[in-house]
Amino acid sequence: AQKVTQAQTEISVVEKEDVTLDCVYETRDTTYYLFWYKQPPSGELVFLIRRNSFDEQNEISGRYSWNFQKSTSSFNFTITASQVVDSAVYFCALSEAGIYNQGGKLIFGQGTELSVKP
Amino acid sequence: DAGVIQSPRHEVTEMGQEVTLRCKPISGHNSLFWYRQTMMRGLELLIYFNNNVPIDDSGMPEDRFSAKMPNASFSTLKIQPSEPRDSAVYFCASKLDGRRETQYFGPGTRLLVL
Repeated sequence: AQKVTQAQTEISVVEKEDVTLDCVYETRDTTYYLFWYKQPPSGELVFLIRRNSFDEQNEISGRYSWNFQKSTSSFNFTITASQVVDSAVYFCALSEAGIYNQGGKLIFGQGTELSVKP
Repeated sequence: DAGVIQSPRHEVTEMGQEVTLRCKPISGHNSLFWYRQTMMRGLELLIYFNNNVPIDDSGMPEDRFSAKMPNASFSTLKIQPSEPRDSAVYFCASKLDGRRETQYFGPGTRLLVL
């Protein structure tokens, strides 16, 4: 079965601290896709990154970086020098595979609520 | 470019009333998804369409929920009759075909059933 686990329900840090959000997934597929979304207090869901299972290269975008490790089925997200505007709920998601999954159904983790205090 | 458009943004209704939520996907996207977000259950997929055809409606809670996609630029999610436990944020998302493509979400409709 496909599953995404975000074990950290809430994290609280002080501004400028680094913080890592964990994501562990389960899948039997050899080809799959992983995503991170951000949900700020305003409520919308904002796409951050997509990673396919063939590409284990880490990615950095400004203060954001992602560490994909197939061996441990993890796709962790690090924010460097956190800011108050980073306060949000962050969701990790897995694109479910299968012969009927032409559409790319997403399986979401429960989310991690990050609070960055000034 | 316009993103996914949802209406209304907020809806307050009384138990037993019919509720219709609307979604306009991003132009050119041929997959459309309806999700529900609650504190207890998180984000859960209700139904998704590919080329206007419902592909998987296994997440639709019960017969009170129905969804349609009469054309490529419009979809509705209807709840009849509504119940207090239907109170949630309902998101619509769209994407291009294929598993590798990214889903882009609308702003959501916050539904409160009294």
